[in-house]
Amino acid sequence: DVQVVESGGGLAQPGGSLRLSCAASGFNLSRYSMNWVRQAPGKGLEWLSYINNSTTTIYYARSVKGRFTVSRDDARNSLTLHLSSLRDDDTAVYYCARSYGYFYDRSGYSYFYYGMDVWGQGTTVTVSS
Amino acid sequence: EIVMTQSPLSLPVTPGESASISCRSSQSLLHGNGYNYLDWYVQKPGQSPQLLIYLASNRASGVPDRFSGSGSATDFTLKISRVEAEDVGIYYCMQALQTPPLTFGGGTKVEIK
Repeated sequence: DVQVVESGGGLAQPGGSLRLSCAASGFNLSRYSMNWVRQAPGKGLEWLSYINNSTTTIYYARSVKGRFTVSRDDARNSLTLHLSSLRDDDTAVYYCARSYGYFYDRSGYSYFYYGMDVWGQGTTVTVSS
Repeated sequence: EIVMTQSPLSLPVTPGESASISCRSSQSLLHGNGYNYLDWYVQKPGQSPQLLIYLASNRASGVPDRFSGSGSATDFTLKISRVEAEDVGIYYCMQALQTPPLTFGGGTKVEIK
């Protein structure tokens, strides 16, 4: 079964840090780009970060840039999101999601697609004093 | 940043009838390759989001053919034919053309009347 499983969530104090992990199984993580997406209580989905399969391209949402750091360990088939300088509004369920990757058009040309085809069950981060 | 706007916010549906959700983007999602870079996801109660439709009109693996996506450029529609009780959830569109950031619509809650 192709799946990703997040862990590492919990309670953190404002200004504190937390490290989230995402373990991939059923597929070779080294071939895929990955994302982190979060959902605050009762709210919609917010994309946070993207890392390509070679770690040469990393993107962050403005809301977390400079505070969150994404990394990957393909040997362990895992992804990490390090959260620092946490704020109350970082309270959310954090999802790890795989990017679809390359698709081919009718002429055989390939294009990269950022859409997310595999999602984990999420890990909950609560920031509170 | 591309802004995604969904309507309606809430959609009560009678089982067996059809339902349509609209998604509009602030910029065209039509790539130079002719494909529209838009996804639809559903988040069923207590679950994580799952991919329904990619590239505007392609059903993801295992998605029933009751679900169909259409539209181009800035206007897109998700249609659910013959709604079933298991289709209850929040439906999100997302633009996959421009990053950072990838952006989602605010969501449409589908519920059974």
